[in-house]
Amino acid sequence: QVQLQQSGPGLVKPSQTLSLTCAISGDSVSSNTAAWNWIRQSPSRGLEWLGRTFYRSRWYNEYAESVKSRITINPDTSKNHFSLQLNSVTPEDTAVYYCARGGGNFDHWGLGSLVTVSS
Amino acid sequence: EIVLTQSPGTLSLSPGERATLSCRASQSVRSTYIAWYQQKPGQAPRIVVSGASNRATGIPDRFSGSGSGTDFTLTISRLEPEDFAVYYCQHHENPPPSWTFGQGTKVDIK
Repeated sequence: QVQLQQSGPGLVKPSQTLSLTCAISGDSVSSNTAAWNWIRQSPSRGLEWLGRTFYRSRWYNEYAESVKSRITINPDTSKNHFSLQLNSVTPEDTAVYYCARGGGNFDHWGLGSLVTVSS
Repeated sequence: EIVLTQSPGTLSLSPGERATLSCRASQSVRSTYIAWYQQKPGQAPRIVVSGASNRATGIPDRFSGSGSGTDFTLTISRLEPEDFAVYYCQHHENPPPSWTFGQGTKVDIK
């Protein structure tokens, strides 16, 4: 049974970096069939896919155009988790952030992490 | 980028009634790339249908998806109390990598 456990600060100051981690159990971040995603949800933007990392003989990262210049998603095979870093945040980045497994669609989700950007 | 428009915004129905939710794409898409999710307050979305018409594991058969081209539908044949939630459609395409969601339809109790 796949479970995704999220962790990270709930409050980030404007212009700083938002960092979250998603620990995987029941699957592997190095799986050749899965992809590991970050998605966020806010009242103003709805559900928004941010990016993903996946392994197919080598590591790949893909990011949404809207955040491409500010985002990094990294896998950590030793801990079987993956992380999100979003730089130069503004209040518009305030949202519930989810990690999720999936290629075309998302079949397992973390519980979500509310991240507020405020001074 | 494909835009998904869901209607209606809110559907007020009673348990036992039929719910019909619509998702319209801004241009024709492959039905393989359409999914539906259910979200209850304080919870993450849960996949209900993938490939436009394939029920996800554990989803009861009162849920069905259909459609092609630009118009897709999620039907709940007889609403149970646990079905009252917000439902989102989702599309993906690659390249460039893009996963988009509709704005959601809330099914609430009349």
